[in-house]
Amino acid sequence: DIVLTQSPGTLSLSPGERVTLSCRASQSVSSTYLAWYQQKPGQSPRLLMSGTSNRATGTPDRFSGSGSGTDFTLTISRLEPEDFAVYYCQQYGSSLTFGGGTKVEI
Amino acid sequence: EVQLVESGGGPVKPGGSLRISCATSGFTFSKYNIHWVRQAPGKGLEWVSSISSTSAYKYYADSVKGRFTISRDNAANSVYLQMNSLRGDDTAVYYCARPPTSSTSWYYLDYWGQGTLVTVSS
Repeated sequence: DIVLTQSPGTLSLSPGERVTLSCRASQSVSSTYLAWYQQKPGQSPRLLMSGTSNRATGTPDRFSGSGSGTDFTLTISRLEPEDFAVYYCQQYGSSLTFGGGTKVEI
Repeated sequence: EVQLVESGGGPVKPGGSLRISCATSGFTFSKYNIHWVRQAPGKGLEWVSSISSTSAYKYYADSVKGRFTISRDNAANSVYLQMNSLRGDDTAVYYCARPPTSSTSWYYLDYWGQGTLVTVSS
């Protein structure tokens, strides 16, 4: 099974800052099969990005994704107050696997 | 509007059983694979089980294999998860989710229900 490791576990930042979240896979994942989700307290996960860099409907363009092989990143160019949440990466090339999440907090 | 609504969660004793449901609307249910994903309190997301559109294929995480059974009723637009031999580490919010396409391949999940909480405790 493919294991996804996200780092760091928690990031403490301020609005307006740029943030880069990391997702590392235990074996190579095609960039076609890597997604990112955002989850706020008490809410279901929301799809942000699929295929590494394709923004889902409603995802602001301050969010961008990149990477290949075993290393993927989600970047938020300028943090807005509504971006403080937990972010999960997911691979769907072989079954479904989620990373452990990165919490972005104020 | 695509909707998925989970129900049937609640408290159950270790070793007990529970069946949770996912009722759907707003799309042609019989064409889509459906997935169950759970989240233990304060923890991350864990894929649990998946069922293909015709029920021909069923998949389980190792952590639930042999204890959980996924099924669906295409006439009722619903998916079910029968959970037996429940343990404390099965305590979680259980979400059902749908991929964006009716493909038979694994996919990301773009529609999620609100979840139903299963609490396993004596």
